[in-house]
Amino acid sequence: QAVVTQEPSLTVSPGGTVTLTCGSSTGAVTSGHYPYWFQQKPGQAPTTLIYDTSNKHSWTPARFSGSLLGGKAALTLSGAQPEDEADYYCLLSYSGAWGGVFGGGTKLTVL
Amino acid sequence: QVQLVQPGAEVRKPGASVKLSCKASGYTFTRYYIHWVRQAPGQGLEWMGRINPSGGSTIYAQKFQGRVTMTRDTSASTVYMELSSLKSEDTAVYYCTRAGNGMDVWGQGTTVTVSS
Repeated sequence: QAVVTQEPSLTVSPGGTVTLTCGSSTGAVTSGHYPYWFQQKPGQAPTTLIYDTSNKHSWTPARFSGSLLGGKAALTLSGAQPEDEADYYCLLSYSGAWGGVFGGGTKLTVL
Repeated sequence: QVQLVQPGAEVRKPGASVKLSCKASGYTFTRYYIHWVRQAPGQGLEWMGRINPSGGSTIYAQKFQGRVTMTRDTSASTVYMELSSLKSEDTAVYYCTRAGNGMDVWGQGTTVTVSS
């Protein structure tokens, strides 16, 4: 089975910019992996921020954006806020049928 | 409003099975796939599989094949996920989520505790 990799932890200053990445052991991540990004705060269910690489939900703050960068999926946070401190997970789809693999998650600290 | 409702908690002994429910409301049940995701204590998210409520077709993660069964009851707008041969490592929060619109809705999760 494919392994999806994320940075275990990252720190960003308030108002700063940070990019989280999501790589695949099978090679470059493409739009065909339909990358998703989720935010999870302690004790809460995940919230979907980004789907299909770069699409946002109505509740996704404008400071979050999704893209493909250097063979990986990327989540960029521009203008970090204290409330953005959370765990972030990516999800990639493999094969013709919808089979998903999550990355191990990135713990983002805003400090 | 659109929501997925899950029971709060279940407790089982090792070797037993558990059948979790996920009741949909506020939308056409058969229009969106439902995925199941679990999270063990202090661990990350793990994708388990998905079901098409319209025809009942399923795809399971390789790790759970042979041990998981996802079904649906269209008359009750409910999907079920049964996990058998439970081990202590199956202790986790189990979430259902609606796909087809960017996984826009999540259930609140069911905490399953496997303990003798």
